[in-house]
Amino acid sequence: SAVISQKPSRDICQRGTSLTIQCQVDSQVTMMFWYRQQPGQSLTLIATANQGSEATYESGFVIDKFPISRPNLTFSTLTVSNMSPEDSSIYLCSVEDPGRSSYNEQFFGPGTRLTVL
Amino acid sequence: EDQVTQSPEALRLQEGESSSLNCSYTVSGLRGLFWYRQDPGKGPEFLFTLYSAGEEKEKERLKATLTKKESFLHITAPKPEDSATYLCAVQEGYQKVTFGTGTKLQVIP
Repeated sequence: SAVISQKPSRDICQRGTSLTIQCQVDSQVTMMFWYRQQPGQSLTLIATANQGSEATYESGFVIDKFPISRPNLTFSTLTVSNMSPEDSSIYLCSVEDPGRSSYNEQFFGPGTRLTVL
Repeated sequence: EDQVTQSPEALRLQEGESSSLNCSYTVSGLRGLFWYRQDPGKGPEFLFTLYSAGEEKEKERLKATLTKKESFLHITAPKPEDSATYLCAVQEGYQKVTFGTGTKLQVIP
């Protein structure tokens, strides 16, 4: 399975600022996903990022708030813009196994724990 | 309406005490049901994919089964290192994968 790293692992930010989270994969993958996991809740898909095209956002998430870049097949960033305390959460990136993508099994990075004061 | 419901929310077992976790789903065209393990402070770790009713998969002390309405994750003779949150997820057709809220398992030595 792919090895996925995320930076930063955690951060504490002030209200109104923005944070960019990086996701690096050790192999080329077509589809990358960004999730949010709030305390005691399930994973919620924010958007799907394919290389060379605009990210596809889920209902309740907009590009102005969560801009995503996907410059190549091994890297993506998620920016949380104009943050409020409600954005405090764990943000996770995931990929589909490059050798078995048809099965939709996803492999996750370690997550970024964000606290907004 | 929730597509994926996991029960119980939390489970405490003595080491060696076998039990099962439940994942009920309501999607009509199931493409796949997934089980993940999540340790505190880490991302989910993939365990199994099940595709059709009657299918079973095993890995060490874990065995996942699937019916048309639910999946069970059976844990046989658990050890303290099996303590984690176990997440179930489903994919309906070619839609996004939807996750349940998980079962937090604690195995006491």
